[in-house]
Amino acid sequence: AQSVTQPDIHITVSEGASLELRCNYSYGATPYLFWYVQSPGQGLQLLLKYFSGDTLVQGIKGFEAEFKRSQSSFNLRKPSVHWSDAAEYFCAVGAGNAGKSTFGDGTTLTVKP
Amino acid sequence: NAGVTQTPKFRVLKTGQSMTLLCAQDMNHEYMYWYRQDPGMGLRLIHYSVGEGTTAKGEVPDGYNVSRLKKQNFLLGLESAAPSQTSVYFCASRQGFLNTEAFFGQGTRLTVV
Repeated sequence: AQSVTQPDIHITVSEGASLELRCNYSYGATPYLFWYVQSPGQGLQLLLKYFSGDTLVQGIKGFEAEFKRSQSSFNLRKPSVHWSDAAEYFCAVGAGNAGKSTFGDGTTLTVKP
Repeated sequence: NAGVTQTPKFRVLKTGQSMTLLCAQDMNHEYMYWYRQDPGMGLRLIHYSVGEGTTAKGEVPDGYNVSRLKKQNFLLGLESAAPSQTSVYFCASRQGFLNTEAFFGQGTRLTVV
């Protein structure tokens, strides 16, 4: 069965600092990986996705993620965090013909001024 | 462009009452999903549908029923609400191919007292 682990429940960074959110997955074949962001009271919005090819993928809002098969990881990064990035971030792995995704428990990002 | 619309946005039920949550999408997507989100637990799949007239159980289907009579609508029913069903419910849809992103509604906050 597929699974996703986000080891950090809550991360606080200062505005302008760099950010890395960790995601580890368990899946038997080549995974389809996603990062979503959820602002308070909102639904989830896709930041980026990985299916194949270049292991470094670029997303919206200046985010990027790197797929490392050897480490079963898909960490999300941003070089300089803005106050508007404060939100909850979910990593997900998708599999199966129904496109069912398994989500991690989420990481809440707080940005200090 | 509405995307995925959930109705209602908020609801308070008494234990034992029934209700139906409506999800409507205007993107002609084949696949639709119902998730529940609880603090610290990410999103868990309740039921899903891979096309009009089809439904299937997800990870936590007990106490819920669904119907997909029209392609654009996916209904989630609670026949006899319980306090354990207090949660935020999200509907999502995707085009039908594994590597397409899921689009989420803004959620329904349900409280069962």
